[in-house]
Amino acid sequence: NAGVTQTPKFQVLKTGQSMTLQCAQDMNHNSMYWYRQDPGMGLRLIYYSASEGTTDKGEVPNGYNVSRLNKREFSLRLESAAPSQTSVYFCASSNGEGADTEAFFGQGTRLTVV
Amino acid sequence: AQTVTQSQPEMSVQEAETVTLSCTYDTSESNYYLFWYKQPPSRQMILVIRQEAYKQQNATENRFSVNFQKAAKSFSLKISDSQLGDTAMYFCAFMSNSGYALNFGKGTSLLVTP
Repeated sequence: NAGVTQTPKFQVLKTGQSMTLQCAQDMNHNSMYWYRQDPGMGLRLIYYSASEGTTDKGEVPNGYNVSRLNKREFSLRLESAAPSQTSVYFCASSNGEGADTEAFFGQGTRLTVV
Repeated sequence: AQTVTQSQPEMSVQEAETVTLSCTYDTSESNYYLFWYKQPPSRQMILVIRQEAYKQQNATENRFSVNFQKAAKSFSLKISDSQLGDTAMYFCAFMSNSGYALNFGKGTSLLVTP
């Protein structure tokens, strides 16, 4: 049972470069999320998708774009990376409701922008 | 947007003792979900315990229990018989009933000492 799979696990970018972080879940969840984690800041929501075909901004969306390609996949794109985007990125998914609801997380991507 | 506040950036407890981590939140919704997640140095996000807002009974999972005060919008985590393996970052999180945004606090770093 793979759960939530994020790729890559590590990445170094030069300022101005672009890249896409990939995320896929195999739990048939409707909701998917992208977070960034910085020291002392907790997990801050970048974008989320409540269902296939819909996306919404979270707390820190500037500099990012997302695509909910299908129910399984939710990608995060940095069009022109900046040093301020150096962070650990987490993808998560959730069944959204019910007694057993919880969010499942990928292993994270450590991104460094130099 | 719902906000989640963890007022204790760092805490320390001796092995076998009991510790309580605090969390408050702000919402206008009547039904929602609350979570405590643990993040050890491996960076993996692990669900510790969940609480549905409409359930008055406090959730319990082995050595972990919560004190859920809906009117006060408070959701504290009590760890009994602390173990060295409990050393981790602990995050409080709020999920709306529709499973849309999942918002986290900034975390509490817990150190369990021998």
